[in-house]
Amino acid sequence: QSALTQPAAVSGSPGQSITISCTGTRDDIGEYDYVSWYQQHPGKVPKLIIYDVHNRPSGVSSRFSGSKSGNTASLTISGLQAEDEADYYCTSYVLAGILFGGGTRLTVL
Amino acid sequence: EVQLLESGGGLVQPGESLRLSCVASGFTFATYAMSWVRQSPGKGLEWVSSITAAYESKHFARSVRGRFTISRDNSANTVHLQMSDLREEDTATYHCVKGRDGESERISGGWDEWGLGTTVTVLS
Repeated sequence: QSALTQPAAVSGSPGQSITISCTGTRDDIGEYDYVSWYQQHPGKVPKLIIYDVHNRPSGVSSRFSGSKSGNTASLTISGLQAEDEADYYCTSYVLAGILFGGGTRLTVL
Repeated sequence: EVQLLESGGGLVQPGESLRLSCVASGFTFATYAMSWVRQSPGKGLEWVSSITAAYESKHFARSVRGRFTISRDNSANTVHLQMSDLREEDTATYHCVKGRDGESERISGGWDEWGLGTTVTVLS
């Protein structure tokens, strides 16, 4: 069970859209529609922003959306705002366990 | 308001043991899977262990399997993580997290509440 692969960093300007990828294998992301995404601001605990690939918990902005194709899941943030600057982590279910991605630092330019 | 309050962290030497506890409030504890997630200083997140609600099925990351055990006491709204044979790579802040979907045996539905964590330092 290896960690999922995310880009270390992405950046975008306010108002733009960015996409963060999360690549796994046919045994995790490819097998299950159980991908979640978390946002973590410095010094804070992570916050769930997407579950089951594309579902948003109550209260999470519609600017956040999730998708999956094959072994890769993606998080798209549209209409970037300064407050979106944070670390983002994906997770996927794998047989009897959960894998995390290494995290992506989003910088809003 | 949901609260998850962890305790039990500390400084130990390799090979020693610790027991972490998490007291929950603000939701029907017995109906939710509970998990532990750790974060090493300046590093990413790692899932450690989960225990489901009704059947108390237990799941462990490969890195801790055989050394850690998880249990829950629904009468006390508490989940425990018993850690033995600790290694330096177990050094991290351990967060207690609540599963998002109640009345389910899933551990895969995401975690919607996080405790602030308790710090474990393993140092020789």
